[in-house]
Amino acid sequence: EADIYQTPRYLVIGTGKKITLECSQTMGHDKMYWYQQDPGMELHLIHYSYGVNSTEKGDLSSESTVSRIRTEHFPLTLESARPSHTSQYLCASSDRGQGWMNTEAFFGQGTRLTVV
Amino acid sequence: AQSVSQHNHHVILSEAASLELGCNYSYGGTVNLFWYVQYPGQHLQLLLKYFSGDPLVKGIKGFEAEFIKSKFSFNLRKPSVQWSDTAEYFCAVNRGSTLGRLYFGRGTQLTVWP
Repeated sequence: EADIYQTPRYLVIGTGKKITLECSQTMGHDKMYWYQQDPGMELHLIHYSYGVNSTEKGDLSSESTVSRIRTEHFPLTLESARPSHTSQYLCASSDRGQGWMNTEAFFGQGTRLTVV
Repeated sequence: AQSVSQHNHHVILSEAASLELGCNYSYGGTVNLFWYVQYPGQHLQLLLKYFSGDPLVKGIKGFEAEFIKSKFSFNLRKPSVQWSDTAEYFCAVNRGSTLGRLYFGRGTQLTVWP
């Protein structure tokens, strides 16, 4: 079954640690996204990619980095986690549609990150 | 200023009551419009979408939404809610001018009492 997977679902980690949040999709979608979601706030786009070797920063400044070496894989890395990084991180994907329009995004279950 | 506005942050209803959640956006040009729902402990799921054509769109679970271009609005409606509709609802806009980037509102938490 085509889907989008995020691991881990929950992560509690100490300050200064390096972490990688995994995201994989089996739908063959070109476009992938990372959103940050805090309670009561809108989802903020932090990174996106139009395809392999393409990555762009989103609207919300983030100290995280991403890579897109394979179509299906879009991991997010924090080199040195801080308490301010505590949040929920959502991964999504979509196909090209028509000029990147007329297409819907599919979301993973999210990773809830707590940095202590 | 927020570009996608959802007017209600928390709505509480009894079962069988009618629902309308407001959504306004501030972008001109070509847009796609979406409502996503997030049930407790689950991922965001598409409820319905508008790309073009009939401005009244029907989604899953009896939900519908109306696109009113002149008002930059895309309000979500359901004639009779159920307890199982308790969830968070997000309005989202895909802008053609920014190559399909998706912008979200803050979400509306709907609580339905049985």
